[in-house]
Amino acid sequence: GAVVSQHPSWVICKSGTSVKIECRSLDFQATTMFWYRQFPKQSLMLMATSNEGSKATYEQGVEKDKFLINHASLTLSTLTVTSAHPEDSSFYICSARPSGEGELFFGEGSRLTVL
Amino acid sequence: AQTVTQSQPEMSVQEAETVTLSCTYDTSESNYYLFWYKQPPSRQMILVIRQEAYKQQNATENRFSVNFQKAAKSFSLKISDSQLGDTAMYFCAFRGRRGTSGSRLTFGEGTQLTVNP
Repeated sequence: GAVVSQHPSWVICKSGTSVKIECRSLDFQATTMFWYRQFPKQSLMLMATSNEGSKATYEQGVEKDKFLINHASLTLSTLTVTSAHPEDSSFYICSARPSGEGELFFGEGSRLTVL
Repeated sequence: AQTVTQSQPEMSVQEAETVTLSCTYDTSESNYYLFWYKQPPSRQMILVIRQEAYKQQNATENRFSVNFQKAAKSFSLKISDSQLGDTAMYFCAFRGRRGTSGSRLTFGEGTQLTVNP
């Protein structure tokens, strides 16, 4: 099946620094990728829809300047958490799918801890 | 907007027994997809089963089957012959079919299933 890979799988950073998380579709092209955030024992909350070659679409309440999304190619989307604070600590998951009605595949997730 | 509700935060079942997880949803769309995803301790999201709303027949994948009641907007998951490896968080999810927004998944709150030996 199709594979979506995230990197890094976990990262620890100091408060005030920026962290970049990559999401790659390894064996298919994805014009659209999705970024989710998940707190412990909670559901996945959609943060934004990443569109190749255009601006991302953010969900209500998600700060665009805080969570920068870049989808520069058909196989790569990046999420940058800028000026990270401890409350940004969470599990971030990306997803993508090969075709319009096909199955959505998820990355392994990235655990961010901000000290 | 679509909503997905899972009213059972936690459930447990004995190994080899059968368990049913509940899910209800709300939508004004007539054609859509419903999913059950499994998230084991590794946190990797795994698709368990998928149902297309226009299909009346309930989807089945080996030990996993659904009871899809479109009029009632209910989509329950039955796990037969439960195995220890089925222990995970299970999420019910909805996806519409309209435009780009149709690609988005809306998740329920999740049900933590524990299979006891």
